[in-house]
Order: sequence, then structure tokens, then C-alpha cells
Amino acid sequence: AQSVAQPEDQVNVAEGNPLTVKCTYSVSGNPYLFWYVQYPNRGLQFLLKYITGDNLVKGSYGFEAEFNKSQTSFHLKKPSALVSDSALYFCAVRPGYSSASKIIFGSGTRLSIRP
Amino acid sequence: DTGVSQNPRHKITKRGQNVTFRCDPISEHNRLYWYRQTLGQGPEFLTYFQNEAQLEKSRLLSDRFSAERPKGSFSTLEIQRTEQGDSAMYLCASSSGQSLSGNTIYFGEGSWLTVV
Repeated sequence: AQSVAQPEDQVNVAEGNPLTVKCTYSVSGNPYLFWYVQYPNRGLQFLLKYITGDNLVKGSYGFEAEFNKSQTSFHLKKPSALVSDSALYFCAVRPGYSSASKIIFGSGTRLSIRP
Repeated sequence: DTGVSQNPRHKITKRGQNVTFRCDPISEHNRLYWYRQTLGQGPEFLTYFQNEAQLEKSRLLSDRFSAERPKGSFSTLEIQRTEQGDSAMYLCASSSGQSLSGNTIYFGEGSWLTVV
């Protein structure tokens, strides 16, 4: 069965510093991996995804994520945090075969950027 | 903007009443998903349609829950005899079903249900 773990409930970073939000996954075969962001009382917004190819994936708002197959990880990163990045971040996984359907989400990490 | 549209956005209902939520997916997306999210948790998969066919249902979807997508376009999620434990945000999402795109799913803004 597929699963996602986000080991940190909350990450606190000062504005201008780099940030990392951790994610590890378990899935049969090659994974499709995703990051979504959620602002208060809103739906989820797609940030980026890894399908195949370069292990470093770039996405919206200056975020990037690094796929590491040996460590089964897909950590979200940003070189310089903004206060407006404060939100709830979800990692998600789906098996990479065409008949696979649902995406499974982690429990989320609350990112707090202090001025 | 032709993103995923959900309504109503908020619904307060008395325990025991029935409620129905509607989802209009992104145009031409043939896959439609329903998820449920409670405070402090990640979205939990409920069910999935490809066109009008409901292909997968989670064990979370008790017999009080029913979802339809009669013409392969919009979908409805009905909860009968609501219970306080049904209070959550119900999220709809859609995707194009093209494997090369990774089947990225795009979410609506959600429908908040409060059962009192």
C-alpha cells in the first residue's frame, strides 16, 4: 500500500533563510510525487511534481523539491523564505502506472515564517 | 477562471438531515475525485470517477454517503442522516487522466460541513 510521512508537524524559519519541509514515501514501483500548499479555509494549490527525469524539480513561488530514490524522500525546499510562504504544506504520492488512480496525502506540515 | 468549482462553500445542518454538495470539474477533465479533510489532517480519499463510472470507493465512504457523476461532467456527493462526525471540509478535484502529465489533480476550494 502507498503511504506518505511528513515527520514534522511544524517548521519555523526566519524570513530570508532557506527552508526545508521533509517528506518520505512508500509506494510500489516508480512514484509520482507532488507538493501542495493550503492557505486557511482554502482548497489545496498544486506547487510541483516529480514524474521522471531530473531529480531536482522546480515549481511555483520559487519552491523546488529533490527526489531521492535511495532514501525514498521528496523534500520541499526554498532558498530564501518569505512571510507569505506561511501555510500548510502537503506531500502526496501516487504509483507511476497508468491504471493507478488516487493520490495519497501526508498529514501536512505547518510552515511558519517569522519576519 | 475555469478551475474546479464547488458549492455550497459552507453548510450548517442539524444532525439527521441530508446534505448534498456539487462539484463542477475543470472542463474536459475525465477524472473526478472526492476527498474529506478534518482540521489538522491531510485530505483522505473518498471516491473516484473516470467519466461517469465510479471506479473506486474508500472504506471511509459508509452507506450513508453516495456520489454520482451521471453525465461524466459535474458530480454530487450526498450525505444522508448526517452525524456530528461528518463535520469536515469536502474537497473535489479533477485531472485529465493523461499519464504523461502525472495525472496532477487540481482541487476546488472545498465545501465546509458543520453538523450541529
